[in-house]
Amino acid sequence: NAGVMQNPRHLVRRRGQEARLRCSPVKGHSHVYWYRQLPEEGLKFMVYLQKENIIDESGMPKERFSAEFPKEGPSILRIQQVVRGDSAAYFCASSTQLNTGELFFGEGSRLTVL
Amino acid sequence: EDQVTQSPEALRLQEGESSSLNCSYTVSGLRGLFWYRQDPGKGPEFLFTLYSAGEEKEKERLKATLTKKESFLHITAPKPEDSATYLCAVQASSGGGADGLTFGKGTHLIIQP
Repeated sequence: NAGVMQNPRHLVRRRGQEARLRCSPVKGHSHVYWYRQLPEEGLKFMVYLQKENIIDESGMPKERFSAEFPKEGPSILRIQQVVRGDSAAYFCASSTQLNTGELFFGEGSRLTVL
Repeated sequence: EDQVTQSPEALRLQEGESSSLNCSYTVSGLRGLFWYRQDPGKGPEFLFTLYSAGEEKEKERLKATLTKKESFLHITAPKPEDSATYLCAVQASSGGGADGLTFGKGTHLIIQP
């Protein structure tokens, strides 16, 4: 499968724990995006990264959330001290081009906070 | 703030019954409007990009059109496998470094055999 790979697909955490979501983009894609989908809500942009750089993090909460896309390895979305409101599906997408809306999405990681 | 409103929220059609989905948008300069399809438990799948009013794109039973205020996704003679949630998204040419898409909540389409 040469598509965007996300893991874990499902993650359960208790309040106050940390969640780490991983995303391997399509081979050859150097642009990675993270989106969050809350129940009954649309997809919300969180952050846009290129290798070793955060290009736009305007949609990511300032507290507890961080993202990285290292030179080697997958992109990581990290949520510290999770709260119930963090329960959502987190989607990663990748592209070959800068500033394109034609994205390849993964199947998502579904976070449940107890 | 960029906004995307999709209607109807849900639509149930008989197989072969053509219809249209609406996407109304407000954006500070449109860089592009995008249609995606999302199946349950899956990530969105890209369908079309439209850049300027009057533009049209087609793929099998789907045709997307664009005006200055809205886009339509026309579905002709749909089949049960066309059942999905259809998402509309806009990208603004704000120049401020905001590269993310603004998505609508989607139209949940069910095609009954």
